[in-house]
Amino acid sequence: GAVVSQHPSWVICKSGTSVKIECRSLDFQATTMFWYRQFPKQSLMLMATSNEGSKATYEQGVEKDKFLINHASLTLSTLTVTSAHPEDSSFYICSARDTGHYGYTFGSGTRLTVV
Amino acid sequence: AQKITQTQPGMFVQEKEAVTLDCTYDTSDQSYGLFWYKQPSSGEMIFLIYQGSYDEQNATEGRYSLNFQKARKSANLVISASQLGDSAMYFCATGNQFYFGTGTSLTVIP
Repeated sequence: GAVVSQHPSWVICKSGTSVKIECRSLDFQATTMFWYRQFPKQSLMLMATSNEGSKATYEQGVEKDKFLINHASLTLSTLTVTSAHPEDSSFYICSARDTGHYGYTFGSGTRLTVV
Repeated sequence: AQKITQTQPGMFVQEKEAVTLDCTYDTSDQSYGLFWYKQPSSGEMIFLIYQGSYDEQNATEGRYSLNFQKARKSANLVISASQLGDSAMYFCATGNQFYFGTGTSLTVIP
C-alpha cells in the first residue's frame, strides 16, 4: 500500500532556530500533500496544502513566513518552522493521496519541542 | 470550508460490545467522501473506512461499518465486538483538503 515517510519523528530545538520536517511518498507520486498541526488532545488542524511546483495554499491564520512549505518534487514536501518559539511546540503531520486509494495516507508525524 | 462535528469527546465501551461514534457534517458539495481515521497514542493516523456520497449502501470494513444518512448529513462509525486495542482517538473527515472533526476518545473496558 501507499506509504508516506516523515522525518524526523521527534525534534527538540532551541528558541530562535529553524527546523525542517520532510515528508516523502515512497511508492507513489503525490502532486498534493497536506500539512497539519495537532495540539495534545485536540483535532488535526489543516495548516496548508502543498502543491508540487507551485506555492502552497495556507489556511486562514497560518503565518506563511513562519511555516515555509516547499514541494520541489512529486515525492517530497518539506515544512520549515522558522525562528521557532515554545508556542510552536506541537505535533506536525503530513498526508498525501494515492490516486489508487480512497483514503489519504499519513506520515507518522513529528513531535516538535522548542525550548 | 466544510464543518465536521463530533459531539462525543469521550466514550466508554465494554470489551466485545458494539459502539457508535457520531459524526455530522456540513457541506455544499454535491459529491463528497467521508472518512474515518483512528489515532492511537503513538500519533499515527490509521485509515478505517470510506463512504462516498453517492454510494447507496453503507460501507463496511471488517468490524467497522458506517451508518450513512445523507439527508441528515451524518456518517456514524459503528465498531462491533470492541477490542482493547480499539482504545484510541477517532476522527471523522471530509473535503478535498480533508478537514477533521474534533475527535472522540474511545476507551474499551475489559
